[in-house]
Amino acid sequence: AQSVTQLGSHVSVSEGALVLLRCNYSSSVPPYLFWYVQYPNQGLQLLLKYTTGATLVKGINGFEAEFKKSETSFHLTKPSAHMSDAAEYFCAVTRNRDDKIIFGKGTRLHILP
Amino acid sequence: GAVVSQHPSWVICKSGTSVKIECRSLDFQATTMFWYRQFPKQSLMLMATSNEGSKATYEQGVEKDKFLINHASLTLSTLTVTSAHPEDSSFYICSARDLLGRDAYEQYFGPGTRLTVT
Repeated sequence: AQSVTQLGSHVSVSEGALVLLRCNYSSSVPPYLFWYVQYPNQGLQLLLKYTTGATLVKGINGFEAEFKKSETSFHLTKPSAHMSDAAEYFCAVTRNRDDKIIFGKGTRLHILP
Repeated sequence: GAVVSQHPSWVICKSGTSVKIECRSLDFQATTMFWYRQFPKQSLMLMATSNEGSKATYEQGVEKDKFLINHASLTLSTLTVTSAHPEDSSFYICSARDLLGRDAYEQYFGPGTRLTVT
C-alpha cells in the first residue's frame, strides 16, 4: 500500500528565507509524485509533479522538488519565501494512471514579515 | 487547458433536505472523476471514484445511500447528499482524470463546494 508522510503540520519561515517542506512516501512500485497548494476555501492547484526522468523538478511560483529514491523523499523547496506563499501544501503519490492519488496530511506554511 | 468547475461554490441547506453538487470538466473528457471531502484544517478524504457510465466505487466507511454519485456523461458527475445533517457540513472537492490525455495519471481539481447544513 502507498502512503505519504509530511513532516510538520505547520512550518513558519521569514519572508525571503528558504522554504523547505518535507515529504516521504512509501510505494511498492516506482511512484508518480505531486505537490499541490491550497489557498483558503479553494481547490487544489498543482505546483509540480515527478513521473520519470530528471529527479529535480521545477514547478510554478519558483518551487522545485527533488525525487530521491534512496531516501524515499520528495521535499519541496523555494529559495526565497513571499508572503503570497502562505497556504496549505499537500504532497501526494500514485502508482499508475489507473490508481487513486494518496494525499499527505498537509503542511500549513506561514510567512513571517 | 484541463479546467474543472463545481457548482454551487457554496450552499446552505436545512437538515433533512438533499443537496446536489455538480462537477464538470470544461475542456476535456473526464473518463474518471473523484469526490473528496475535506474537514477544516485536514487533508482530503477520498469518498468515491466514478467512471462514466458505471456505478461509483465507494471508499470504506462512506455510505453510498447517503452520498449518491452519478457520472452520466464524460463531462459531468454529480454528488447528491441525501437527508443532510449538520455533520455532513464540509468542503467537497471533485477531481477529474482524462485517461485519453497525455497526462493520464494527473488529476485536475475543481474549486470545491462549501456545504453548510443548519
